[in-house]
Amino acid sequence: GDSVTQMEGPVTLSEEAFLTINCTYTATGYPSLFWYVQYPGEGLQLLLKATKADDKGSNKGFEATYRKETTSFHLEKGSVQVSDSAVYFCALSRSTNTGNQFYFGTGTSLTVIP
Amino acid sequence: EAGVTQFPSHSVIEKGQTVTLRCDPISGHDNLYWYRRVMGKEIKFLLHFVKESKQDESGMPNNRFLAERTGGTYSTLKVQPAELEDSGVYFCASSQWTSGATGELFFGEGSRLTVL
Repeated sequence: GDSVTQMEGPVTLSEEAFLTINCTYTATGYPSLFWYVQYPGEGLQLLLKATKADDKGSNKGFEATYRKETTSFHLEKGSVQVSDSAVYFCALSRSTNTGNQFYFGTGTSLTVIP
Repeated sequence: EAGVTQFPSHSVIEKGQTVTLRCDPISGHDNLYWYRRVMGKEIKFLLHFVKESKQDESGMPNNRFLAERTGGTYSTLKVQPAELEDSGVYFCASSQWTSGATGELFFGEGSRLTVL
């Protein structure tokens, strides 16, 4: 079945460090891929998405490229800030005959220290 | 525009009791989903409504869980009787109807359930 595997956390980085959170997926067909972020005390919100192979999603300095050949959607940021501390979830969406079905990873907790 | 709201934000109950969680989706969103995250694990699908109809309830753990969506607006998720393994964060999400898999989900803040 469809699934998402993402890097185990927690991850602790110093401010301005480079961030990579790995995400790989298993899916039939042509899913869309997403990164959601949950800041402390808030709900999940969409960070970025890519809907087809080789698309790059980007937002707030974060980027992820949909790689069909490696079934990956790794999240990267060149220089993290304290305000990026949050839990990051990789997800895929697939269209089914009952509507869009989403599958999420386990989440990766990121703490950025000054 | 108001986002997805969930109530209560946190509920602590004893094993065997009943709890009802409520979700108000974004106005106009036909799709409403319930998900659950058990500590440190992935966010797992429970069920999906399109308007007032249950489109997919394959993720519901057992018959102690009952979800309704009256009139296609707000939804409730009742757990009766609650067991220890039901503890976790229950997320509600809504989305507009879109063709294909590209639509974004809008999440509430979640309802944390603790069963003692």
